[in-house]
Amino acid sequence: DAGVIQSPRHEVTEMGQEVTLRCKPISGHDYLFWYRQTMMRGLELLIYFNNNVPIDDSGMPEDRFSAKMPNASFSTLKIQPSEPRDSAVYFCASSLEGGGGTDTQYFGPGTRLTVL
Amino acid sequence: QKEVEQNSGPLSVPEGAIASLNCTYSDRGSQSFFWYRQYSGKSPELIMFIYSNGDKEDGRFTAQLNKASQYVSLLIRDSQPSDSATYLCAVSNNDMRFGAGTRLTVKP
Repeated sequence: DAGVIQSPRHEVTEMGQEVTLRCKPISGHDYLFWYRQTMMRGLELLIYFNNNVPIDDSGMPEDRFSAKMPNASFSTLKIQPSEPRDSAVYFCASSLEGGGGTDTQYFGPGTRLTVL
Repeated sequence: QKEVEQNSGPLSVPEGAIASLNCTYSDRGSQSFFWYRQYSGKSPELIMFIYSNGDKEDGRFTAQLNKASQYVSLLIRDSQPSDSATYLCAVSNNDMRFGAGTRLTVKP
């Protein structure tokens, strides 16, 4: 399996622009997670899906952030409008199961976002 | 209080020594505990998971869990320079919460 795939790997944009990050989870995994990592705040869970349904979006920082999972093999994280403080590495991860049980998460390579 | 706390380090040990990484968590309902390793500029990768109180060994790595004390640790025996990375503790109770990570440097 190719693992979790994310695109783009790097994104540089100007403040106010819309940014869309993409993720393809590992085939057969029922859970998909979006994280943000910064030096100051570490790795933060933004939102996660189970079978394409958003389960917990309490980590989404504000209404400028939205995430969708239209099918089992694709998810997007959108920031509109973007701000410099959104600069971070955004990781997508997937797992076979969620809470309890064996819920090892496999991370994608991340998207490094820079908002100027 | 943070949900998952780790010493940020950096922790420096000589090659061949034992590195001890510690983590405490606040949610008593947590069921699953994980250690991830993250090299600089890379994504986290799973090293070990543990569910039951006690020790779990995998090669040079030993995870220790004490639910009563809400404490989980990772021991790395015979540390190698290639073990130099940030180690993230993660705790799961229906969703995963990560600690800020401990940066480990193993000096040759």
